[in-house]
Amino acid sequence: QVQLKESGPGLVQPSETLSLTCTVSGFSLTSYSVSWVRQPSGKGPEWMGRMWYDGDTAYNSALKSRLSISRDTSKNQVFLKMNSLQTDDTGTYYCTRVDTYFDYWGQGVMVTVSS
Amino acid sequence: DIQMTQSPASLSASLGETVTIQCQASEDIYNGLAWYQQKPGKSPQLLIYNANSLHTGVPSRFSGSGSGTQYSLKINSLQSEDVASYFCQQYYNYWTFGGGTKLELK
Repeated sequence: QVQLKESGPGLVQPSETLSLTCTVSGFSLTSYSVSWVRQPSGKGPEWMGRMWYDGDTAYNSALKSRLSISRDTSKNQVFLKMNSLQTDDTGTYYCTRVDTYFDYWGQGVMVTVSS
Repeated sequence: DIQMTQSPASLSASLGETVTIQCQASEDIYNGLAWYQQKPGKSPQLLIYNANSLHTGVPSRFSGSGSGTQYSLKINSLQSEDVASYFCQQYYNYWTFGGGTKLELK
């Protein structure tokens, strides 16, 4: 069955870089795209960026200058790196499988930006 | 960027009642609209795609409708397990979510 699982640190210092990994199973990263989505507590989700099945990427214009998404197809993993973190980057970060809409989601990882 | 405005922000309803949630796009999204359900502490789950197509395994009491810039999610015969937050999402041009509707039992 399709599964996605996020992993990474729960606490990041302000101005530091966030690094997250999404490990997928039940589908191929060369057949489906994967997006990263974040959600501040009590608010709506925000699309961050997408790793296309062909290796291309797309980013939310509001985050593009700080965000990088890559992948390792041999390990079935998609990576997110975002620099210059601030307190308003605190929230839950999800990876999702993309079929134009987001049909499967990971459980999410809570990230707190604090000193 | 396409903006999605969802209403109401919160809603209280009784068991068995019919509930409707609205979503307005800032421009025509040509039915590129999905609805998600999110229970506390869980990730969002797809309910509806293409404005009115039910995702696999979703109960038939959920339905979606609309076109152009106006869309809605209807829940018939509200059940206790439907208590959750609901989000609309456009995927006509990249992806944008609405602010959400928190549904509680009266």
